[in-house]
Amino acid sequence: NAGVTQTPKFRVLKTGQSMTLLCAQDMNHEYMYWYRQDPGMGLRLIHYSVGEGTTAKGEVPDGYNVSRLKKQNFLLGLESAAPSQTSVYFCASSYGSRGQNTGELFFGEGSRLTVL
Amino acid sequence: AQRVTQPEKLLSVFKGAPVELKCNYSYSGSPELFWYVQYSRQRLQLLLRHISRESIKGFTADLNKGETSFHLKKPFAQEEDSAMYYCALNSGGSNYKLTFGKGTLLTVNP
Repeated sequence: NAGVTQTPKFRVLKTGQSMTLLCAQDMNHEYMYWYRQDPGMGLRLIHYSVGEGTTAKGEVPDGYNVSRLKKQNFLLGLESAAPSQTSVYFCASSYGSRGQNTGELFFGEGSRLTVL
Repeated sequence: AQRVTQPEKLLSVFKGAPVELKCNYSYSGSPELFWYVQYSRQRLQLLLRHISRESIKGFTADLNKGETSFHLKKPFAQEEDSAMYYCALNSGGSNYKLTFGKGTLLTVNP
């Protein structure tokens, strides 16, 4: 099992460009999350999904859009990138049903995005 | 609103010394707390959760509702414990939406 895979791992964008980060998990998890990690700020939740076809806003959703068309994939989009979106982005997944869900999030390796 | 506070950005100890990483939380509901760890060049991973009340790699953490704290402790630090540690609070109920603290970078010196 690959677990949680994020692509790309590195990307440099110019202000105003758009891009999509892909997260794929092979653990049949219901829940998926996108976090951003910034120095001195810890991890902050951008958007999350509790199942295929559902998405919800997290703590810092502005400037991002997400889609969960397939259970195993969770896409994070930046329509018009800004320098403030320079960050390391982490995708995570977890079990869905209360009985299975221990609250453990399984993380990807991260995607480093630089916006010039 | 939920909040997780880790007051120390950096913590440096010598090998064999006790270590305590502090975590305080603010939450109106019944708290469910976790410690996650990120070793150099590795993925962020769960270290322990308060519900399981277990010791992982010699670390323990006790939930103190009176002091709203969930400090992580280890009696004898090892060099391999050097890592970034995050305290996290479940603020999403059954949806498990975790709010993370800002993290503490622990360095264990030889």
